[in-house]
Amino acid sequence: QVQLVESGGGVVQPGGSLRLSCGASGFTFSRNGMHWVRQAPGKGLEWVTYIPYDGSNKYYADSVKGRFTISRDNSKNTLYLQMNSLKPEDTAVYYCTKDANWSFDHWGQGTLVTVSS
Amino acid sequence: QSALTQPPSASGSPGQSVTISCTGTSSDVGGYNYVSWYQQHPGKAPKLMIYEVTKRPSGVSDRFSGCKSGNTASLTVSGLQAEDEADYYCSSYAGSNDWVFGGGTKLTVL
Repeated sequence: QVQLVESGGGVVQPGGSLRLSCGASGFTFSRNGMHWVRQAPGKGLEWVTYIPYDGSNKYYADSVKGRFTISRDNSKNTLYLQMNSLKPEDTAVYYCTKDANWSFDHWGQGTLVTVSS
Repeated sequence: QSALTQPPSASGSPGQSVTISCTGTSSDVGGYNYVSWYQQHPGKAPKLMIYEVTKRPSGVSDRFSGCKSGNTASLTVSGLQAEDEADYYCSSYAGSNDWVFGGGTKLTVL
């Protein structure tokens, strides 16, 4: 069965950096686009970024453009999110999700990122 | 991209049907048949319930159904059960590899 396991969350000061990882199993990772979606405490879901199966292009929400970088290593079945210049409003649970039919068909358990001094 | 508009809350008694709306624009909901719906229980990750407006993933109860008219999509939960009490989010592809979510609807089973 499909499994997505995020790691790398934690507490970071404003202006700091953090790198999230998402290990994938149970499907052919190299054939699927992947997303990061986040959810601020007590708030709704927000799409953050998308990378196609081959990493050929990367797409971002305006709120993170220029600060976040999505990448993938198909040899390691792993998705990454490099987050720089973090702001308090980036505080959220970050979910790794698998793309299918322009929807998010499988989700990880999420990793909490807290930006606070 | 602006968030899609959902009612903050909805409710129904066991056995009844409830419909949750999701309103966007011609640039997202109205422009593509790529609306999806997610169920999220407290403290859990979201779960895909409907994709491509009307399709159900394997394993999702047929009590859940979706439709769309113009810029508004809808999720109907029929034969309400206690386990259906959760937050529900719609999402739409918005073109140019951009996606947008609704603000979420808290469904209460009375």
